[in-house]
Amino acid sequence: AQRVTQPEKLLSVFKGAPVELKCNYSYSGSPELFWYVQYSRQRLQLLLRHISRESIKGFTADLNKGETSFHLKKPFAQEEDSAMYYCALSGLSGNTPLVFGKGTRLSVIA
Amino acid sequence: SAVISQKPSRDICQRGTSLTIQCQVDSQVTMMFWYRQQPGQSLTLIATANQGSEATYESGFVIDKFPISRPNLTFSTLTVSNMSPEDSSIYLCSALLLARYEQFFGPGTRLTVL
Repeated sequence: AQRVTQPEKLLSVFKGAPVELKCNYSYSGSPELFWYVQYSRQRLQLLLRHISRESIKGFTADLNKGETSFHLKKPFAQEEDSAMYYCALSGLSGNTPLVFGKGTRLSVIA
Repeated sequence: SAVISQKPSRDICQRGTSLTIQCQVDSQVTMMFWYRQQPGQSLTLIATANQGSEATYESGFVIDKFPISRPNLTFSTLTVSNMSPEDSSIYLCSALLLARYEQFFGPGTRLTVL
């Protein structure tokens, strides 16, 4: 069965502190992993995907197949990073809908 | 990219009535989906809207309750039928641009059933 687990419902950090949002998954096959973000009063949007190996807004995420994890990290949190973050997966074929975790609300305190 | 609009943005409905939500995409997309986000919960896939044929529903969702249409590549509707307060939720339309391997989301329709 496909499942995405985000163990933290809420994460509060101080501005300038490192951030790590945890994501674990289960999938029978090779999945594609994503992080989506939803800022206040905005729609859900793609932050990054593992296949691109890119850094967006200072965030990175590495797929660890051994630990079935895809944690999102940023070395120095900014106030504008405060948002709801969702980890999601789909099949590698690319034509399957996303399965989402429950989300983690990140609050960056000035 | 793809820009998705939904109508209505919100509605308050009476128990037992039905509401149809419209979703319009500004470009031709390969796949369209409908999700539900109940208060404090994550996004749950309701169904995949197939062009010109019946939608593919996920476990726990049935066509009689959530009839879906997709007459062309850029438009889809979701109807929430015979509503009850448990249907109060945000309903999200989503579209997959295979060329970009990215799924885009609409702004959502916030439904409250009294």
